[in-house]
Amino acid sequence: DIRMTQSPSSLSASVGDRVTITCRASRTITNYLNWYQQKPGKAPKLLIYGASNLQSGVPSRFSGSGSGTDFTLTISSLQPEDFATYYCQQSYSSVTFGQGTRLEIE
Amino acid sequence: QLHVQESGPGLVKPSETLSLTCTVSGGSISSVSFYYAWIRQSPEKGLEWIGAIHYSGSTHFNPSLQSRVSISLDTSKKQFSLRLSSVTAADTAVYYCNMGRVGIDVWGPGTTVTVSS
Repeated sequence: DIRMTQSPSSLSASVGDRVTITCRASRTITNYLNWYQQKPGKAPKLLIYGASNLQSGVPSRFSGSGSGTDFTLTISSLQPEDFATYYCQQSYSSVTFGQGTRLEIE
Repeated sequence: QLHVQESGPGLVKPSETLSLTCTVSGGSISSVSFYYAWIRQSPEKGLEWIGAIHYSGSTHFNPSLQSRVSISLDTSKKQFSLRLSSVTAADTAVYYCNMGRVGIDVWGPGTTVTVSS
């Protein structure tokens, strides 16, 4: 199994801040990496696919980068609706998720 | 706009088989590009991919669940289904159905399944 490790596990930030979340794969996954946002009681929502492609309808303040084993999700200017839990997911070999990063209001 | 919705029993007894159905609405289910997947989430394990079936009929399963899982697709009913056998308390989770292809990713609202006698 490919293990996905996110850091940090939780993060406090303020509206307007720039935030970066990191995801590391236990071995190379080329660019088979997606980022999801999940709010309490809701299903995950796809933000970024293929490491850096913005899903239709997702605000441009979200961006993704990386390849191989190291990836980042960046939110350029936090909005109130962005406080949620974020997950990375690899689909290079089977499918596995990171443990999540909880983004909280500071 | 595609929508998917899970349905099935919310309570399953240990050692029995969990069966869930996902119904698709708002668009065509028939595309060679689509996959149809099941994912579950629990506080203990987080998000866990169970498996998927492609429109071609090929299936792929989480290696840790492979011996207990089957997924089927019925395009005439616009449904796909999950069966998980020999369940234990560790299978208690919110179960999501999910379908998509590049650029499309649709999730159901989730259904809670509890394994208990």
